[in-house]
Amino acid sequence: TQLLEQSPQFLSIQEGENLTVYCNSSSVFSSLQWYRQEPGEGPVLLVTVVTGGEVKKLKRLTFQFGDARKDSSLHITAAQPGDTGLYLCAGVGGNTGKLIFGQGTTLQVKP
Amino acid sequence: GAVVSQHPSWVICKSGTSVKIECRSLDFQATTMFWYRQFPKQSLMLMATSNEGSKATYEQGVEKDKFLINHASLTLSTLTVTSAHPEDSSFYICNPGTVSYTFGSGTRLTVV
Repeated sequence: TQLLEQSPQFLSIQEGENLTVYCNSSSVFSSLQWYRQEPGEGPVLLVTVVTGGEVKKLKRLTFQFGDARKDSSLHITAAQPGDTGLYLCAGVGGNTGKLIFGQGTTLQVKP
Repeated sequence: GAVVSQHPSWVICKSGTSVKIECRSLDFQATTMFWYRQFPKQSLMLMATSNEGSKATYEQGVEKDKFLINHASLTLSTLTVTSAHPEDSSFYICNPGTVSYTFGSGTRLTVV
């Protein structure tokens, strides 16, 4: 069974601080997605990483896929209150196309 | 492109009644639709996979007679919660999988 361990599960920081969210597995994933979700809405895709060692940037967000494609990280620089939300990592499981989700990270950025 | 429309956004129903949730792919064809359930401040848990023209497959522990899934066409998949109970209150979300990683907007179900 493929599992994704996401940490930390809760994070409360001040505006301007940096943070990193981790997603780890003992299994190899063909690709991994990061989502952000607001209360009462569906998750919104931020990025998909496919190649081992890949680094993608989205403004203040930096996403990295591990060389062995078993882990990934999301780094936010100079966090802002608008970054508050639930961040989810998800990997494509097997050849079924279904997404396996990490536990999620609830981020609160205080002004 | 790859828009998934989910309805209703929220529904309140009485215990014992049934509720139908629809997910439509507006600009593409979806042979598969994944249905997830999410409790407050928790991650998404896969419930079942609907397949156009065939029976849905359910994850372990999900009652197939309670959560009826129908995938009648390439653009519509439905989840019906039958004989709903308060413990079925949750946020239900659909996703067409590798065709698109776009999710529906979700349905907040409250059973009173």
